[in-house]
Order: sequence, then C-alpha cells, then structure tokens
Amino acid sequence: AQSVTQLDSHVSVSEGTPVLLRCNYSSSYSPSLFWYVQHPNKGLQLLLKYTSAATLVKGINGFEAEFKKSETSFHLTKPSAHMSDAAEYFCVVSDIGEYGNKLVFGAGTILRVKS
Amino acid sequence: EAGVAQSPRYKIIEKRQSVAFWCNPISGHATLYWYQQILGQGPKLLIQFQNNGVVDDSQLPKDRFSAERLKGVDSTLKIQPAKLEDSAVYLCASSRLAVTNTGELFFGEGSRLTVL
Repeated sequence: AQSVTQLDSHVSVSEGTPVLLRCNYSSSYSPSLFWYVQHPNKGLQLLLKYTSAATLVKGINGFEAEFKKSETSFHLTKPSAHMSDAAEYFCVVSDIGEYGNKLVFGAGTILRVKS
Repeated sequence: EAGVAQSPRYKIIEKRQSVAFWCNPISGHATLYWYQQILGQGPKLLIQFQNNGVVDDSQLPKDRFSAERLKGVDSTLKIQPAKLEDSAVYLCASSRLAVTNTGELFFGEGSRLTVL
C-alpha cells in the first residue's frame, strides 16, 4: 500500500518569507501525488497534482511542488508567504487498491503565517 | 456551480445514541465519498459510491456505521450506536468520475461530531 509522511505537524513563517512543507512518500511504483489545502471552516481544496509528467508542478496561489524520485519526496513550496496562506495542508497519494484507486492522506501540516 | 452541501455542521450526542449526516454532491458527479477525519489525523476513506452502488466500504465499521445513496444523488451516513472514538469530522466529497490519476475531489465543509 502507498503512504505519505508529512514531516512537520506545524510550520510557522513570517509574511513575505518562503514556505516549505515537507512530504515523503512510500510507493512500489510511480505514484500520483497531490497537495490539498484546508482553510478554517472550509472544505478541502486541491492545490496541485503530480501525475508522472513534469516533475515541477505549479498549483494555485503561487504554490509549487517538486517530485524527487531519488529522495521519495514531494515538498510544497512558495517563495513568499501571505497571511491568507494560513491553513492546514495535506500531502496525498493515489493508492491502487482492491477496489480501484483511492486517495490516502497524510496527517497534515498546519501553516501559521505571522505578520 | 453549487458546491458539496453537508448537514448538520455540528452535532453533539451521548455515547450509544444515534446520529445521521446528510450530503448532497455537486450536480452530475457520479462518485461520492465519505471520509472520517479525527483530530490530528488526515481524512480516512469510509465508503465510496459510484452512482447508487457501493465501490469500496472496506474501512467502514459495519457493526455501527451505515451509508446509503438512494437514486445516485444525495447520501446519508448513519452511526448507531455511537462510541466516544467516533468523535471526528465527517467529510463528504464528490467527483465527476471515479478517482483515477486526476485525484480531484470536491469536498464539503464537513460535519463535526462530538460524542460525550
């Protein structure tokens, strides 16, 4: 079974500084990976996805992630944090199971942005 | 386009009581999912419907949880009797097709259950 590990449960940055949210995956084949974001009292929203095309993936709101097979990583980055980026971020892998593909979520990283 | 609607947003019950959550997916979305999100953890799939048929309920505790999707549109998730460990946010999601490599699910805001 595929899985993801988010290395930090909480990350705190100052507004205008870079954001790095770390995710490692475990997969026996080339995985499909995603980042979802959950703002307070809002539904989860797809931020970006990697599906074996370009290894550097751009998402919404200036976020991007790089798939590194040698490091089994899919870290999420943003050059400059904005207050509105404060949310919980989930790294997700698509797992091929007995009943077809399903999404497996990491435990989440809460991003705090200080003014 | 209207999003995924869920109700109630919050529910507090005593253990051994029953509770039901309702979900209305985005119009035209064939696949509907129920996830359980316990505090401090990522969402975990409970059940997946394709139209009105169950695709995957392997992680649904069937002794106390049940779900249905009559007519292939809205869905109800029921817990009876509830246990303390059922305290969680119950998320409903939908997608136009079954999850493949697109991975794009549309989530509702969730129903937060507290069991006392």
